[in-house]
Amino acid sequence: EDQVTQSPEALRLQEGESSSLNCSYTVSGLRGLFWYRQDPGKGPEFLFTLYSAGEEKEKERLKATLTKKESFLHITAPKPEDSATYLCAVQVGGSQGNLIFGKGTKLSVKP
Amino acid sequence: DTGVSQNPRHKITKRGQNVTFRCDPISEHNRLYWYRQTLGQGPEFLTYFQNEAQLEKSRLLSDRFSAERPKGSFSTLEIQRTEQGDSAMYLCASSSRTSGGLTDTQYFGPGTRLTVL
Repeated sequence: EDQVTQSPEALRLQEGESSSLNCSYTVSGLRGLFWYRQDPGKGPEFLFTLYSAGEEKEKERLKATLTKKESFLHITAPKPEDSATYLCAVQVGGSQGNLIFGKGTKLSVKP
Repeated sequence: DTGVSQNPRHKITKRGQNVTFRCDPISEHNRLYWYRQTLGQGPEFLTYFQNEAQLEKSRLLSDRFSAERPKGSFSTLEIQRTEQGDSAMYLCASSSRTSGGLTDTQYFGPGTRLTVL
């Protein structure tokens, strides 16, 4: 069964304290791995798509990387406005394109 | 704003009532997805449309749920005889697969929060 697991469930950082979020996946054939940010009471906001092992993408303080079994979302010198839940999702080959999500990591950045 | 829109944003209903939600996708997107999200969980896939055709339904979509996308534009999700377990955020997403593209990015709406009393 295709599965996505995110860790930790929650992460509390001080402003400026860099860290990483993990997304491990077990799928029959990866078509793409997606990272989204979700603020309370809102829909997920697209951040990155990664397609193959070794690929990296960056946006401001965020950098996403991909291996054959997991993806990391690195946050460099976070600010309080980075506080949100970060969701990882996979799209599996042979499907109609629906995303399989992990439970998310809730990030809190304190000033 | 040309993003995905959903209405209503919040719906409170009594158990046993029927409810209907609407999703307006990004105008040029031919693919539309419905997901359900409960507290502390990631979104779970419910159903998928390509243009007006409903091509896939999850096992989560019981016979009390029905979705339509007439004319391949907006979509509606109806829940009949609501139960307390239907309380959740219902999310709509749209995308457009480019020719030869590896995959398509799904853009989500703000969601409809359903509370069943």
